[in-house]
Amino acid sequence: GDSVTQMEGPVTLSEEAFLTINCTYTATGYPSLFWYVQYPGEGLQLLLKATKADDKGSNKGFEATYRKETTSFHLEKGSVQVSDSAVYFCALSDRGKSTFGDGTTLTVKP
Amino acid sequence: SAVISQKPSRDICQRGTSLTIQCQVDSQVTMMFWYRQQPGQSLTLIATANQGSEATYESGFVIDKFPISRPNLTFSTLTVSNMSPEDSSIYLCSVPGLAGDNEQFFGPGTRLTVL
Repeated sequence: GDSVTQMEGPVTLSEEAFLTINCTYTATGYPSLFWYVQYPGEGLQLLLKATKADDKGSNKGFEATYRKETTSFHLEKGSVQVSDSAVYFCALSDRGKSTFGDGTTLTVKP
Repeated sequence: SAVISQKPSRDICQRGTSLTIQCQVDSQVTMMFWYRQQPGQSLTLIATANQGSEATYESGFVIDKFPISRPNLTFSTLTVSNMSPEDSSIYLCSVPGLAGDNEQFFGPGTRLTVL
């Protein structure tokens, strides 16, 4: 079956540091890939998405590129802020059903 | 995009009781999904609810524990039966987007605590 493997956390960075959260996937079909963010005490929000190979999703300074050759969808941000502190989930979706990674907790310190 | 509401937003329940969670969508959708997020963990799919047929449950989840209703194309309920503290989780419903890109829209979740 489909699966998503996400970089283990937690991750602690200083403000303005570069962020990478690794995500790799296994899928039998041709899924779309997503990053979701969950801020403390809040619901799940879509951060960005990519629907096919070589697509780059971007939002709020975050980027991720759908790499079919390496089955990866790593999340990056050039300069993190304290307000980026949250749990980040990588997910794939095929025919409307999603499979999630375990989540990576990011803490950004001033 | 779809707008999804859930009731209740949170509840505290005694063990052995049952709670029914409602999910309302602002548009008609064929499939609705129910997920569970246990404390500090990721989301796990419980079941897929299709209108007019019985729900399809994922491995590890059974209808007696998590009965689901889907009376129409905009509404579904999930019941957590005979609750124990291990059922303390956030329960979320979701629906697929209409753009055909496999995006899902999630409800705000129901935070359940079982004492």
